[in-house]
Amino acid sequence: GAGVSQTPSNKVTEKGKYVELRCDPISGHTALYWYRQSLGQGPEFLIYFQGTGAADDSGLPNDRFFAVRPEGSVSTLKIQRTERGDSAVYLCASSLGTGGLGELFFGEGSRLTVL
Amino acid sequence: ILNVEQSPQSLHVQEGDSTNFTCSFPSSNFYALHWYRWETAKSPEALFVMTLNGDEKKKGRISATLNTKEGYSYLYIKGSQPEDSATYLCALYVEGKLIFGQGTELSVKP
Repeated sequence: GAGVSQTPSNKVTEKGKYVELRCDPISGHTALYWYRQSLGQGPEFLIYFQGTGAADDSGLPNDRFFAVRPEGSVSTLKIQRTERGDSAVYLCASSLGTGGLGELFFGEGSRLTVL
Repeated sequence: ILNVEQSPQSLHVQEGDSTNFTCSFPSSNFYALHWYRWETAKSPEALFVMTLNGDEKKKGRISATLNTKEGYSYLYIKGSQPEDSATYLCALYVEGKLIFGQGTELSVKP
């Protein structure tokens, strides 16, 4: 596809369950970012990849959160033992990796609701 | 903790009004500032990437200015239209990633 694709668009789960969110970036984009947006807040940085490796995972809130990008393209954000506070819109973005000069291209987000 | 502040948090204007909002950020070690527009049920889209002090960028009725020495950027919309209704986000580039402000939610009434 032409843009960044995220699946699922909506996910409702119960507290304590495991969740995976997938991001398919624009072809050729080396940098991939995960953000989380809660109501009334701006996007909060979670992790970014340059190629296959996590260049900065300082935004992951705790060890229940983990992300992978094994082949340098598709990425999966994994959340274990979900809590109600994890409810948010999870945004993925990709860029050409040209440092701060390159705009980010975002997907439409995955809305996670933890009951 | 690095803080990017946007004001106002929300804004309601009539069609045809011109409006502006502010993004404030720490001025030390500045590299780049981004502006994005996020319409409901869509993905955020880039408006501007700004790097130089005094820079001014324009896209149609929307323009932005940058002051890196005092740490602020202004976004202006001339003659607001209902389709301008969205959340406008600014973000500071820091060590490989963007740090976003909380956004300004603009509502334009016909």
